[in-house]
Amino acid sequence: DQQVKQNSPSLSVQEGRISILNCDYTNSMFDYFLWYKKYPAEGPTFLISISSIKDKNEDGRFTVFLNKSAKHLSLHIVPSQPGDSAVYFCAAYGPTGSARQLTFGSGTQLTVLP
Amino acid sequence: DSGVTQTPKHLITATGQRVTLRCSPRSGDLSVYWYQQSLDQGLQFLIQYYNGEERAKGNILERFSAQQFPDLHSELNLSSLELGDSALYFCASSVLVGQGNTIYFGEGSWLTVV
Repeated sequence: DQQVKQNSPSLSVQEGRISILNCDYTNSMFDYFLWYKKYPAEGPTFLISISSIKDKNEDGRFTVFLNKSAKHLSLHIVPSQPGDSAVYFCAAYGPTGSARQLTFGSGTQLTVLP
Repeated sequence: DSGVTQTPKHLITATGQRVTLRCSPRSGDLSVYWYQQSLDQGLQFLIQYYNGEERAKGNILERFSAQQFPDLHSELNLSSLELGDSALYFCASSVLVGQGNTIYFGEGSWLTVV
């Protein structure tokens, strides 16, 4: 049972345009959400996060939106740059079973075309 | 550089063998996590330790075990290896366990079972 889903395995965007990466979750107990970026042969690096008490968090070119009623999370990158090309993982933190843990989506490969 | 160190970076071994992956968390971090990323799969949570004690268990096989030592470094032991165990194994660490706590990843240990 996938509790965090990234339904788009890949996304291509022109440089300078907006990239929108989407994530859906099923566990209403998740209360903290994160986005990680991963380049090939490297570990995931933290990008931005949002608490469930907020609906938007912005950090430079990156903005995360949270729609709790829809159980939907999105990451906006504006403007997109070729260096943003990477796999983006959405992650949700909260109780699963008897403990709290971080659950990841399967990732979306973003390609920013020059 | 996330501050999380993993060794070895690459490892090739035969089926039926046993290997140990090592992780040194960021200075001051008490919590260590292990994740597995297989081909075409997202990051799968295996296990978490906090200050030497097991805190949460995910999809970890019985052939796998882990521990966190008094100096807070952690080891993931994989035994009776099968071809399907070939994957990238990530260690991550965080200061505490709880909401709003960012997790930092190492660069991973690439295990190939032949």
